[in-house]
Amino acid sequence: QVQLEQSGAEVKKPGASVKVSCKVTGHTLGDLAVHWVRQAPGKGLEWMGGFDPEDGETIYAQKFQGRVSMNQDTSTYTAYMELTTLGSEDTAVYYCTTEGLFASFDFWGQGTLVTVSP
Amino acid sequence: EIVLTQSPGTLSLSPGDTASLSCRASQRVSSTYLVWYQQKPGQAPRLLMYAASSRATGVPDRFRGSGSGTDFTLTISRLEPEDFGVYYCQQYDGSRTFGQGTRLEIK
Repeated sequence: QVQLEQSGAEVKKPGASVKVSCKVTGHTLGDLAVHWVRQAPGKGLEWMGGFDPEDGETIYAQKFQGRVSMNQDTSTYTAYMELTTLGSEDTAVYYCTTEGLFASFDFWGQGTLVTVSP
Repeated sequence: EIVLTQSPGTLSLSPGDTASLSCRASQRVSSTYLVWYQQKPGQAPRLLMYAASSRATGVPDRFRGSGSGTDFTLTISRLEPEDFGVYYCQQYDGSRTFGQGTRLEIK
């Protein structure tokens, strides 16, 4: 059974960057495609990007291109998401999740709350 | 970008009722890549259905997904207390988008 353990809550100032980690257990990270989804308080889910195993590249939602980077360190079984130039609109719970059958997301981390506040 | 519009925004029903949740796409979506999730307060989403009509592991057969093209439906029969929460649809066309969610609440 795949389990995803995310890093703890963060408080950042506007303009700063945040890096969230996601440790994978129960499966080889190299065989998984980790994606990141965020959820602002009281709002819906928003896909940010993730690893595409078909071409071995990471794809990002257009909204976040240039401001987000994601990578997977197979030696430590940990995936990372870094978001730069934070604004108040980036206050959200950030989830890592793994791609399952037919582009679904089958396993999820517990979420990491990132608060952007002056 | 494909926009998914879910309706209704909120559905108030009683245990034992049948819920019908709609997900309408701004462009045609392959049924192969239409997914449904359930989310409860304070929890991560849970995968319910993939490929529009295939239930994920452990999802009871009271949940049924259907539809094609631009119109998809999640039907939940014989509602139980644990079914209440927010439901999201999601599509994949090289990129991914989610609907805004339907809140299923106890009447």
